[in-house]
Amino acid sequence: DMQMTQSPSSLSASVGDRVTITCRASQDIRNDLGWYQQKPGKAPKRLIYGASTLQGGVPSRFSGSGYGTEFTLTISSLQPEDFATYYCLQHNAYVLTFGGGTKVEIK
Amino acid sequence: EVQMEESGGGLVQPGGSLRLSCTGSGFTFGDYAMNWFRQAPGKGLEWVGFIRRKAYGGTTEYAASVRGRFSVSRDDSATIAHLQMNSLKTEDTAVYYCARDEAPDYWGQGVLVTVSS
Repeated sequence: DMQMTQSPSSLSASVGDRVTITCRASQDIRNDLGWYQQKPGKAPKRLIYGASTLQGGVPSRFSGSGYGTEFTLTISSLQPEDFATYYCLQHNAYVLTFGGGTKVEIK
Repeated sequence: EVQMEESGGGLVQPGGSLRLSCTGSGFTFGDYAMNWFRQAPGKGLEWVGFIRRKAYGGTTEYAASVRGRFSVSRDDSATIAHLQMNSLKTEDTAVYYCARDEAPDYWGQGVLVTVSS
Protein backbone atom coordinates (compact mmCIF):
# COMPACT_ATOMS: atom_id res chain seq x y z
CA ASP A 1 0.00 0.00 0.00
CA MET A 2 1.08 3.52 -0.78
CA GLN A 3 2.17 5.43 2.32
CA MET A 4 2.99 9.09 2.81
CA THR A 5 5.31 9.87 5.72
CA GLN A 6 5.06 13.51 6.76
CA SER A 7 7.44 15.24 9.16
CA PRO A 8 7.50 16.81 11.60
CA SER A 9 4.10 16.07 13.11
CA SER A 10 4.20 19.43 14.86
CA LEU A 11 6.47 22.43 15.16
CA SER A 12 6.63 25.71 17.07
CA ALA A 13 7.79 28.76 15.19
CA SER A 14 7.75 32.52 15.41
CA VAL A 15 6.36 35.06 13.00
CA GLY A 16 8.98 35.66 10.33
CA ASP A 17 10.56 32.21 10.62
CA ARG A 18 11.25 29.99 7.64
CA VAL A 19 9.37 26.70 7.97
CA THR A 20 9.94 23.47 6.04
CA ILE A 21 7.65 20.41 6.02
CA THR A 22 8.56 17.17 4.29
CA CYS A 23 6.58 14.28 2.81
CA ARG A 24 8.11 11.02 1.67
CA ALA A 25 6.19 8.62 -0.57
CA SER A 26 6.71 4.87 -0.31
CA GLN A 27 6.62 4.63 -4.12
CA ASP A 28 7.42 6.94 -7.02
CA ILE A 29 4.46 9.32 -7.48
CA ARG A 30 6.11 11.61 -10.04
CA ASN A 31 4.71 15.06 -9.16
CA ASP A 32 1.15 13.94 -8.32
CA LEU A 33 1.15 15.68 -4.97
CA GLY A 34 -0.65 18.62 -3.40
CA TRP A 35 -0.23 20.55 -0.17
CA TYR A 36 -3.24 21.65 1.88
CA GLN A 37 -3.75 24.02 4.79
CA GLN A 38 -6.50 23.36 7.29
CA LYS A 39 -7.64 25.65 10.10
CA PRO A 40 -9.85 24.40 12.96
CA GLY A 41 -13.44 23.79 11.91
CA LYS A 42 -12.70 24.60 8.27
CA ALA A 43 -12.30 22.62 5.07
CA PRO A 44 -8.80 22.06 3.69
CA LYS A 45 -7.53 24.68 1.27
CA ARG A 46 -5.13 23.71 -1.51
CA LEU A 47 -1.88 25.68 -1.54
CA ILE A 48 0.25 23.79 -4.04
CA TYR A 49 -0.51 21.31 -6.82
CA GLY A 50 1.71 19.32 -9.12
CA ALA A 51 4.23 19.36 -6.25
CA SER A 52 5.44 22.88 -7.05
CA THR A 53 2.72 25.00 -8.67
CA LEU A 54 1.21 27.69 -6.49
CA GLN A 55 -2.59 27.71 -6.37
CA GLY A 56 -4.07 30.98 -7.58
CA GLY A 57 -4.55 33.50 -4.78
CA VAL A 58 -2.08 31.81 -2.43
CA PRO A 59 0.72 34.09 -1.14
CA SER A 60 4.12 33.64 -2.75
CA ARG A 61 5.74 32.91 0.62
CA PHE A 62 4.44 29.35 0.11
CA SER A 63 6.45 27.12 -2.21
CA GLY A 64 6.68 23.43 -2.98
CA SER A 65 9.40 21.27 -4.43
CA GLY A 66 10.24 17.64 -5.12
CA TYR A 67 9.60 14.78 -7.51
CA GLY A 68 9.33 11.05 -7.20
CA THR A 69 9.37 10.25 -3.50
CA GLU A 70 10.61 13.35 -1.64
CA PHE A 71 8.59 16.54 -1.37
CA THR A 72 8.87 19.76 0.59
CA LEU A 73 6.55 22.61 1.51
CA THR A 74 8.33 25.81 2.54
CA ILE A 75 6.89 28.93 4.11
CA SER A 76 9.57 31.57 3.63
CA SER A 77 8.37 33.99 6.32
CA LEU A 78 5.68 32.70 8.64
CA GLN A 79 2.73 35.04 9.13
CA PRO A 80 0.12 34.99 11.92
CA GLU A 81 -2.54 33.62 9.55
CA ASP A 82 -0.30 30.64 8.66
CA PHE A 83 -0.71 28.91 12.01
CA ALA A 84 -2.67 25.83 10.96
CA THR A 85 -2.28 22.15 10.12
CA TYR A 86 -0.71 21.22 6.80
CA TYR A 87 -1.21 17.98 4.86
CA CYS A 88 0.32 16.49 1.76
CA LEU A 89 -1.90 14.38 -0.51
CA GLN A 90 -0.75 12.05 -3.27
CA HIS A 91 -3.15 11.24 -6.11
CA ASN A 92 -0.90 9.10 -8.30
CA ALA A 93 -2.38 5.72 -7.45
CA TYR A 94 -5.99 4.56 -7.52
CA VAL A 95 -5.93 5.09 -3.78
CA LEU A 96 -5.32 8.65 -2.59
CA THR A 97 -3.20 9.00 0.52
CA PHE A 98 -2.60 11.85 2.96
CA GLY A 99 0.43 12.47 5.07
CA GLY A 100 -0.24 12.49 8.78
CA GLY A 101 -0.29 16.27 9.03
CA THR A 102 1.97 18.94 10.54
CA LYS A 103 0.53 21.29 13.13
CA VAL A 104 2.29 24.65 13.03
CA GLU A 105 1.97 26.45 16.36
CA ILE A 106 3.07 29.79 17.71
CA LYS A 107 6.29 29.76 19.70
CA GLU B 1 -17.23 30.98 -8.77
CA VAL B 2 -16.71 27.29 -8.10
CA GLN B 3 -18.70 26.05 -5.12
CA MET B 4 -19.17 22.63 -3.56
CA GLU B 5 -21.78 21.91 -0.90
CA GLU B 6 -22.47 18.73 1.06
CA SER B 7 -25.76 17.80 2.66
CA GLY B 8 -27.47 14.85 4.28
CA GLY B 9 -25.44 14.38 7.44
CA GLY B 10 -26.86 13.49 10.81
CA LEU B 11 -27.14 10.89 13.55
CA VAL B 12 -27.53 7.23 12.60
CA GLN B 13 -27.40 4.01 14.59
CA PRO B 14 -24.67 1.42 14.05
CA GLY B 15 -25.63 -0.83 11.16
CA GLY B 16 -27.74 1.88 9.60
CA SER B 17 -27.49 3.72 6.30
CA LEU B 18 -27.14 7.32 5.22
CA ARG B 19 -26.79 9.06 1.88
CA LEU B 20 -24.75 12.22 1.53
CA SER B 21 -25.09 14.58 -1.40
CA CYS B 22 -22.57 16.96 -2.95
CA THR B 23 -23.78 19.73 -5.22
CA GLY B 24 -21.34 21.56 -7.47
CA SER B 25 -21.83 24.91 -9.18
CA GLY B 26 -19.81 27.40 -11.17
CA PHE B 27 -18.21 24.79 -13.46
CA THR B 28 -19.11 22.01 -15.89
CA PHE B 29 -19.79 19.25 -13.38
CA GLY B 30 -19.44 16.39 -15.85
CA ASP B 31 -15.87 17.37 -16.75
CA TYR B 32 -14.50 16.47 -13.30
CA ALA B 33 -14.00 13.49 -11.05
CA MET B 34 -15.57 13.80 -7.61
CA ASN B 35 -13.84 12.78 -4.41
CA TRP B 36 -15.13 12.10 -0.91
CA PHE B 37 -12.97 12.53 2.18
CA ARG B 38 -13.58 12.39 5.91
CA GLN B 39 -12.05 13.54 9.16
CA ALA B 40 -12.82 11.84 12.45
CA PRO B 41 -12.91 14.11 15.52
CA GLY B 42 -9.39 15.26 16.38
CA LYS B 43 -7.84 13.13 13.62
CA GLY B 44 -6.25 13.66 10.24
CA LEU B 45 -7.80 13.61 6.80
CA GLU B 46 -8.75 10.31 5.14
CA TRP B 47 -9.72 9.67 1.53
CA VAL B 48 -12.99 7.69 1.20
CA GLY B 49 -13.55 7.22 -2.51
CA PHE B 50 -14.05 8.85 -5.89
CA ILE B 51 -15.94 8.58 -9.14
CA ARG B 52 -14.33 9.35 -12.47
CA ARG B 53 -16.01 11.50 -15.07
CA LYS B 54 -18.20 9.70 -17.62
CA ALA B 55 -15.59 10.28 -20.35
CA TYR B 56 -13.28 8.01 -18.31
CA GLY B 57 -15.98 5.43 -17.68
CA GLY B 58 -17.55 6.89 -14.55
CA THR B 59 -15.84 4.15 -12.56
CA THR B 60 -15.22 4.25 -8.83
CA GLU B 61 -12.42 3.55 -6.35
CA TYR B 62 -12.65 3.19 -2.59
CA ALA B 63 -10.48 3.11 0.49
CA ALA B 64 -10.12 -0.35 2.01
CA SER B 65 -11.86 0.83 5.20
CA VAL B 66 -15.15 1.46 3.34
CA ARG B 67 -14.99 -0.86 0.32
CA GLY B 68 -18.13 -2.98 0.08
CA ARG B 69 -20.08 -0.68 2.43
CA PHE B 70 -19.91 2.73 0.73
CA SER B 71 -20.64 3.62 -2.88
CA VAL B 72 -20.29 6.81 -4.90
CA SER B 73 -22.60 7.78 -7.76
CA ARG B 74 -23.16 10.89 -9.84
CA ASP B 75 -25.91 12.66 -11.78
CA ASP B 76 -24.21 15.15 -14.05
CA SER B 77 -27.50 16.65 -15.27
CA ALA B 78 -28.30 17.61 -11.66
CA THR B 79 -24.63 18.50 -10.90
CA ILE B 80 -24.72 16.23 -7.87
CA ALA B 81 -22.69 13.35 -6.50
CA HIS B 82 -23.81 10.97 -3.77
CA LEU B 83 -22.05 8.93 -1.13
CA GLN B 84 -24.22 6.01 -0.07
CA MET B 85 -23.06 4.67 3.29
CA ASN B 86 -24.36 1.29 4.47
CA SER B 87 -23.55 -0.92 7.46
CA LEU B 88 -22.27 2.10 9.32
CA LYS B 89 -19.90 1.64 12.24
CA THR B 90 -19.10 3.94 15.15
CA GLU B 91 -15.66 4.50 13.60
CA ASP B 92 -17.34 6.08 10.55
CA THR B 93 -18.21 9.09 12.72
CA ALA B 94 -16.55 12.04 11.00
CA VAL B 95 -16.98 15.23 9.05
CA TYR B 96 -17.37 14.24 5.40
CA TYR B 97 -16.14 16.46 2.60
CA CYS B 98 -16.58 16.31 -1.14
CA ALA B 99 -13.95 17.80 -3.44
CA ARG B 100 -13.66 18.34 -7.15
CA ASP B 101 -11.10 16.65 -9.45
CA GLU B 102 -8.54 13.82 -9.27
CA ALA B 103 -6.13 16.40 -7.83
CA PRO B 104 -8.69 17.82 -5.40
CA ASP B 105 -8.91 21.59 -5.68
CA TYR B 106 -12.25 22.93 -4.43
CA TRP B 107 -13.80 21.44 -1.29
CA GLY B 108 -17.17 21.76 0.36
CA GLN B 109 -17.55 22.96 3.93
CA GLY B 110 -18.18 19.44 5.22
CA VAL B 111 -21.09 17.68 6.89
CA LEU B 112 -21.07 15.79 10.19
CA VAL B 113 -22.05 12.14 10.34
CA THR B 114 -22.43 10.64 13.81
CA VAL B 115 -22.83 6.88 14.18
CA SER B 116 -24.02 6.12 17.69
CA SER B 117 -26.68 4.20 19.55
